[in-house]
Amino acid sequence: RKEVEQDPGPFNVPEGATVAFNCTYSNSASQSFFWYRQDCRKEPKLLMSVYSSGNEDGRFTAQLNRASQYISLLIRDSKLSDSATYLCVVDSWGKLQFGAGTQVVVTP
Amino acid sequence: DGGITQSPKYLFRKEGQNVTLSCEQNLNHDAMYWYRQDPGQGLRLIYYSQIVNDFQKGDIAEGYSVSREKKESFPLTVTSAQKNPTAFYLCASSIEDEFYGYTFGSGTRLTVV
Repeated sequence: RKEVEQDPGPFNVPEGATVAFNCTYSNSASQSFFWYRQDCRKEPKLLMSVYSSGNEDGRFTAQLNRASQYISLLIRDSKLSDSATYLCVVDSWGKLQFGAGTQVVVTP
Repeated sequence: DGGITQSPKYLFRKEGQNVTLSCEQNLNHDAMYWYRQDPGQGLRLIYYSQIVNDFQKGDIAEGYSVSREKKESFPLTVTSAQKNPTAFYLCASSIEDEFYGYTFGSGTRLTVV
């Protein structure tokens, strides 16, 4: 079993709609969680950290569910520029483990 | 502006050849990392270094070597022992506490010709 698993998608989303997707992790001792955004053939960029209480940054909301060992990302009012691959990142025994990413395609 | 610089952006390697990928950061970060990304897979850790003159193997270190002679620099050599080197290579750095996440360089795309 992979340490971090994501639905690869693609999630095809009409502009203005809401999209949400999850990421599951296997190490129950993990303490740090992140969502990164990666555009095609570019480096990943930190989108947001995920806190135990959940956190929101503009149109993006991240949640952590420790009991079920997953984190989620919700994007409201999707923009064309939100089209990207979203990487789930979880610390595991002091090292960050990356999911393979969920592709989101926002269509006009 | 502070950041991480990787060079070259594209690199072509012949069979049996060693090549070195450069990674330089001016963020004053202690820790540096090398990852490999293949299509449809998550980033896989090759090597990491948390302090000058010290580094540790990651999950896929075979066929790679690194050095950390300066805090700012963490070059990666892809040796001829790496049988499938074609991939996107990403260098990252962080302050000691991973809670703040990593900053990535723009990557080097290596192709075997």
